[in-house]
Amino acid sequence: EVRLVESGGGLVQPGGSLRLSCAASGFTFSDPYMDWVRQAPGKGLEWVGLIENKHTGYITEYAASVRGRFTISRDDSANSLYLQMNSLKTEDTAVYYCATDSSGSPENWGQGTLVTVSS
Amino acid sequence: DIQMTQSPSSLSASVGDRVTITCRASQGIRNDVGWYQQKPGTAPKRLIYAASSLQSGVPARFSGSGSGTEFTLTISSLQPEDFATYFCLQHNSHPRTFGQGTKVEIK
Repeated sequence: EVRLVESGGGLVQPGGSLRLSCAASGFTFSDPYMDWVRQAPGKGLEWVGLIENKHTGYITEYAASVRGRFTISRDDSANSLYLQMNSLKTEDTAVYYCATDSSGSPENWGQGTLVTVSS
Repeated sequence: DIQMTQSPSSLSASVGDRVTITCRASQGIRNDVGWYQQKPGTAPKRLIYAASSLQSGVPARFSGSGSGTEFTLTISSLQPEDFATYFCLQHNSHPRTFGQGTKVEIK
């Protein structure tokens, strides 16, 4: 069974940093691309970015709203995905989900971790 | 960026009704669309990929169609467990973009 567990969320001040982790199990983690998607309270879904696999050299793509502030990485040996978030803004407050990417779109999702950016 | 315009934003329907949700892309995106269902407090669940392929384990009352700029999610006979919010996603080009969502409520 595919399992994704996000962690690392919490309260952070504007301008601060936070690193989210996504622990994967139940599949060969090194194979799929991986996505991060977020959802602000009471709002819709926003794609944050993705990281490809070793076959493409771990290419990353980002939404314009986070490009230059967020960095996605993965450690295939640890079956883990990461989202480093710097220069956080109040509008980054959201539940952050990691997901496996299959047939071009997010397939299996974690339960999410809440990030609150507030002073 | 490709915009996905989803309609309606909400609808009221009864059990047994046929329900149709539409997403229009701001430019042609072949069949690079997925559809998701989300219930309150839970993660989204993929229903459809590649515009019309049914995700394993998803009931056959869900179907997707379309290509190019117009895409449709249809629920042939609405069941009590289908009351939720539905989103489309384009993955033709980066950044990937979601539709605004359609909340399906009980009539």
